[in-house]
Amino acid sequence: NAGVMQNPRHLVRRRGQEARLRCSPMKGHSHVYWYRQLPEEGLKFMVYLQKENIIDESGMPKERFSAEFPKEGPSILRIQQVVRGDSAAYFCASSPGRHEQYFGPGTRLTVT
Amino acid sequence: GNSVTQMEGPVTLSEEAFLTINCTYTATGYPSLFWYVQYPGEGLQLLLKATKADDKGSNKGFEATYRKETTSFHLEKGSVQVSDSAVYFCALSNTGNQFYFGTGTSLTVIP
Repeated sequence: NAGVMQNPRHLVRRRGQEARLRCSPMKGHSHVYWYRQLPEEGLKFMVYLQKENIIDESGMPKERFSAEFPKEGPSILRIQQVVRGDSAAYFCASSPGRHEQYFGPGTRLTVT
Repeated sequence: GNSVTQMEGPVTLSEEAFLTINCTYTATGYPSLFWYVQYPGEGLQLLLKATKADDKGSNKGFEATYRKETTSFHLEKGSVQVSDSAVYFCALSNTGNQFYFGTGTSLTVIP
């Protein structure tokens, strides 16, 4: 059973461009979580999704950020018009329910 | 509400020293508790967990006991190794499948 897959592993974008981060959960997992980790800081919750539904987006910035988890395909975290402050590691985790989360290797976004 | 408070780091220990990283939580109901470890450049990996009061989670020489009376889940290891150098996160899971993480504690073990 493959683990949580994230791609790309590294992403470089210029200010003002769009960034799309993908997450494929483990097989059989219908819960996906996105987190952001800034350098030398802890893990900040962004959004929790189940298939086709956003359950909790209380950690998402109100502008430029969006997330989806369609019926088919990976979960996508989209950042429009990126700024330097968006540079961070973005981690996806999946869960089958009220169990531990399984994390992907992360996408490291650098905004130049 | 639900939250996790971790001992602030960084923590630096000599090899074979005893490790304790404190973690306390606030939660409604009966949460499950977890410790995750993050090695440099990698994602978080589950280290151990406990799902009810008085349970002890253990893995790779690490242990933590779910103490409901003190709302704590402190991580301990009797003899640390250089390879244990990492960032450690305490977390809880409560109703609604929500997870709450502490801010992480960086551990460096020197030979």
